[in-house]
Amino acid sequence: DTAVSQTPKYLVTQMGNDKSIKCEQNLGHDTMYWYKQDSKKFLKIMFSYNNKELIINETVPNRFSPKSPDKAHLNLHINSLELGDSAVYFCASSQDRSSYNEQFFGPGTRLTVL
Amino acid sequence: KQEVTQIPAALSVPEGENLVLNCSFTDSAIYNLQWFRQDPGKGLTSLLLIQSSQREQTSGRLNASLDKSSGRSTLYIAASQPGDSATYLCAVESWGKLQFGAGTQVVVTP
Repeated sequence: DTAVSQTPKYLVTQMGNDKSIKCEQNLGHDTMYWYKQDSKKFLKIMFSYNNKELIINETVPNRFSPKSPDKAHLNLHINSLELGDSAVYFCASSQDRSSYNEQFFGPGTRLTVL
Repeated sequence: KQEVTQIPAALSVPEGENLVLNCSFTDSAIYNLQWFRQDPGKGLTSLLLIQSSQREQTSGRLNASLDKSSGRSTLYIAASQPGDSATYLCAVESWGKLQFGAGTQVVVTP
């Protein structure tokens, strides 16, 4: 069983479009995250939610809006896509906000904006 | 601001040789350090998590050390195998956020 899953795996779209990426975890974790990995392979945190509540927002443009309908899901909606949004987006989860817990990552969604 | 550096950026070794991967961080106020493995086109797999109060963690052929005061961690992989070929990322947690290094790309040749 996949612990952290993301859909779609690949997303190719035109500039200006709006798109969503979905993430689900079946680990019973309370905390979920979105990361962006750019072309230089640096992974940077974007958002963190704990039990459906936003706890970290790393100065991400407000075109990016995460939504957590329940603690097992954290979806990422992106409005007015730009070329610079092309990257691999990873979802992750951890037991809770405690720093004693490791984070488990999904397989990533490769977004290409044309 | 926390900065995480991994050296070398790439490494190629023959099968059977031991691997030594280095990670350094600028702010020693960390809660933990985590080593991950990333295969091409895949997500990250957690390898080892070292709490800030610990000096090392071991799992099978993997051993990671942590020297918080000097801002360093080393990942040792004993008797490397071609299946160990991947990119290895280290990440430090500070204030609820994981900060990643750029990774070391490892190739183990048969």
